[in-house]
Amino acid sequence: DQQVKQNSPSLSVQEGRISILNCDYTNSMFDYFLWYKKYPAEGPTFLISISSIKDKNEDGRFTVFLNKSAKHLSLHIVPSQPGDSAVYFCAASDGRGSTLGRLYFGRGTQLTVWP
Amino acid sequence: KAGVTQTPRYLIKTRGQQVTLSCSPISGHRSVSWYQQTPGQGLQFLFEYFSETQRNKGNFPGRFSGRQFSNSRSEMNVSTLELGDSALYLCASELSGSSYNEQFFGPGTRLTVL
Repeated sequence: DQQVKQNSPSLSVQEGRISILNCDYTNSMFDYFLWYKKYPAEGPTFLISISSIKDKNEDGRFTVFLNKSAKHLSLHIVPSQPGDSAVYFCAASDGRGSTLGRLYFGRGTQLTVWP
Repeated sequence: KAGVTQTPRYLIKTRGQQVTLSCSPISGHRSVSWYQQTPGQGLQFLFEYFSETQRNKGNFPGRFSGRQFSNSRSEMNVSTLELGDSALYLCASELSGSSYNEQFFGPGTRLTVL
């Protein structure tokens, strides 16, 4: 049962434009969300996170938006650069009791930024 | 500060064998989680250890086990290997295991079962 879903397996964007990666979740107990980037043959690298008490968090070119009522979050990358080409994973946690230390991951979106 | 290290990086085994993978977390981190990544299933949670105790376990059979040592280093073991166990096994460490901190991942161990 996939509690975190990334419905677009791939996204192709021109350099300099905006990349928008989407993520949906089903568990209303999730209250902390993270985005990771992964290059081939490497482990995922943390990008940005957001707590459920916020609806936006920004870090340089990366902004994450959270819509709790829709159980939806998105990662915006502006401007996109060729070095951003990687697989992006959305992850979620409810940070409580028996699920401490566990992240639920989506299946990833392959972003390709072309010159 | 050194990152999360995993050994070995690559491993080839045959069905029925067992394997042990090792993970050294970032210094000072007390929580270590293990994930299995396959093309079909994405990143699946195996288990999490905090202060030498397994605190969480995912939906994997008992052939998958792990432990954590007093220095926070962790090992996972897979017995009676099956072809479907071929995957990238990722270890992640976290400072406090509160789930409100980001987990830092190692490069993974690529296991191939023939």
